[in-house]
Amino acid sequence: DGGITQSPKYLFRKEGQNVTLSCEQNLNHDAMYWYRQDPGQGLRLIYYSQIVNDFQKGDIAEGYSVSREKKESFPLTVTSAQKNPTAFYLCASSQSGSVYNEQFFGPGTRLTVL
Amino acid sequence: QKEVEQDPGPLSVPEGAIVSLNCTYSNSAFQYFMWYRQYSRKGPELLMYTYSSGNKEDGRFTAQVDKSSKYISLFIRDSQPSDSATYLCAMSPEYGNKLVFGAGTILRVKS
Repeated sequence: DGGITQSPKYLFRKEGQNVTLSCEQNLNHDAMYWYRQDPGQGLRLIYYSQIVNDFQKGDIAEGYSVSREKKESFPLTVTSAQKNPTAFYLCASSQSGSVYNEQFFGPGTRLTVL
Repeated sequence: QKEVEQDPGPLSVPEGAIVSLNCTYSNSAFQYFMWYRQYSRKGPELLMYTYSSGNKEDGRFTAQVDKSSKYISLFIRDSQPSDSATYLCAMSPEYGNKLVFGAGTILRVKS
């Protein structure tokens, strides 16, 4: 089955800790994206990568970091510098970075800071 | 002011009703318009995709784009309880590589 997997589904973090969210795809897509979803605010782009070993900041990159060492993997680290990290995080991928290519989303990770 | 405005609802309708979901936007450069459906605690999935102005129909769903008014709509005919979800509009300029999403409208179809 082709698709996008995200793990874990639920994640709890204490203030001051860094956490890494996993995103893997087996669709052979070049582009991958991380979004944050908060109630009433829709999806906001954190980081995106159009090709391996390259990535760009989205609209709300502060307090987050990513890597793209393999085509199928795009992990997101939420650092202690992120002031309000509690949210639903969605990973997506598309054939290329052009917007006319459909973005396929994973099931999401809900992060809660205690 | 947000680049894309979407009423968050919730919108509650009886089964069989025609549903109208809408978004307005401010960026006249937007050319690609999409509607995503998101069930509770799941990732969004693409429902409809339109380029520039006009209508597009797919089964019970019709997407409309009015670029002169900067207004897009999604119509659902014969709504079903399984249509209960959050509907997100998204859009982008011609040569963009990022989508701008609306806040999403929660739809509840009652049986």
